[in-house]
Amino acid sequence: DAGITQSPRHKVTETGTPVTLRCHQTENHRYMYWYRQDPGHGLRLIHYSYGVKDTDKGEVSDGYSVSRSKTEDFLLTLESATSSQTSVYFCAIQGASEQYFGPGTRLTVT
Amino acid sequence: GENVEQHPSTLSVQEGDSAVIKCTYSDSASNYFPWYKQELGKGPQLIIDIRSNVGEKKDQRIAVTLNKTAKHFSLHITETQPEDSAVYFCAASRPFPGSARQLTFGSGTQLTVLP
Repeated sequence: DAGITQSPRHKVTETGTPVTLRCHQTENHRYMYWYRQDPGHGLRLIHYSYGVKDTDKGEVSDGYSVSRSKTEDFLLTLESATSSQTSVYFCAIQGASEQYFGPGTRLTVT
Repeated sequence: GENVEQHPSTLSVQEGDSAVIKCTYSDSASNYFPWYKQELGKGPQLIIDIRSNVGEKKDQRIAVTLNKTAKHFSLHITETQPEDSAVYFCAASRPFPGSARQLTFGSGTQLTVLP
């Protein structure tokens, strides 16, 4: 494995509540990414980070924010969860060019 | 932005036969093309990748070919085994400022290897 953990692995929450997902790496890589995976859409980039406190938006960033206060941790926050954010969320770290994915977090918004 | 199309969406082969999955991309600036294998309940696992300065790359039973002119690339798995059964994703990437990369994924191919 690439030294990536995600927590929690499963979460059920109600519409309108805030949710934070955590990605932790032990590889000291500079670049980290958050993707969501939905049936028929493959994986789509939400946000990425290119260093501590340095982040940028991806393809589907609306409704999400991120933070990176330490090299090893990248947090994804849904400020007010909606049913359309029910998905599986994957974190990835990048080596030279290749990206390695974590085990995922399955989020259900009811 | 980049658009990646992947075919077929499902593929069944007999054990020992070959499997081919094809992808096309739209952005001529894309220069890195990885392939991922995803088993049920797990994260995608990188199995092979190719850069735009190479036309073909092989790793044991897996090979990838790239045609930059036609903007398509393919995954070839030979001598398939039941453990090859999984969902396979192609992706394309152009470099961001610095060395970050935004991967644009295809929609996936469910490969089933029949014993």
